[in-house]
Amino acid sequence: EADIYQTPRYLVIGTGKKITLECSQTMGHDKMYWYQQDPGMELHLIHYSYGVNSTEKGDLSSESTVSRIRTEHFPLTLESARPSHTSQYLCASSEPGTSGEETQYFGPGTRLLVL
Amino acid sequence: KNQVEQSPQSLIILEGKNCTLQCNYTVSPFSNLRWYKQDTGRGPVSLTIMTFSENTKSNRRYTATLDADTKQSSLHITASQLSDSASYICVVSDRGSTLGRLYFGRGTQLTVWP
Repeated sequence: EADIYQTPRYLVIGTGKKITLECSQTMGHDKMYWYQQDPGMELHLIHYSYGVNSTEKGDLSSESTVSRIRTEHFPLTLESARPSHTSQYLCASSEPGTSGEETQYFGPGTRLLVL
Repeated sequence: KNQVEQSPQSLIILEGKNCTLQCNYTVSPFSNLRWYKQDTGRGPVSLTIMTFSENTKSNRRYTATLDADTKQSSLHITASQLSDSASYICVVSDRGSTLGRLYFGRGTQLTVWP
């Protein structure tokens, strides 16, 4: 069981609200990620970080922003939520393997519903 | 275009039966391939990782195969249990370093009935 946590697990909010999805890991991993996943679809990378003060945009354009002030914490913020943001958001962290391959550990996810 | 295709999209089997899930990829260069299990409402959990030189790898009742020449992988589940009901996701990495990119399949939704 990976030591990576996400809160809240479920969130229902109205359009226009500002929300922050929390993600924290206690494994000391430098690299962290945010993915968006819709039912029956593949995971899409929206943000990632190589370490403290490092944030990069992923493959899928997203209106969300992230910050990395501490190694263990990687929150994602939506300034003004819209129904199109309804999805599952998965946070992950990774460590390099003995042969260079990364192992990603995923949190349980946050299911967001914007009305 | 780098892609990962999985089949079947969904599968229903009876408890105790075996099944095989398929993954075809066009990712190049190739570094490694992982199979993840994702329970409903949870994040994916890694089952096995295969590198270019590996053909078969087993993890309890899960056996993964890799044919790097044809760019195909399979995940065989033996003596299925109700707890095997989940989505199984194939993920291919194009490099082994932290600069590598991951390509995700859409998963095969497996349902095991009693």
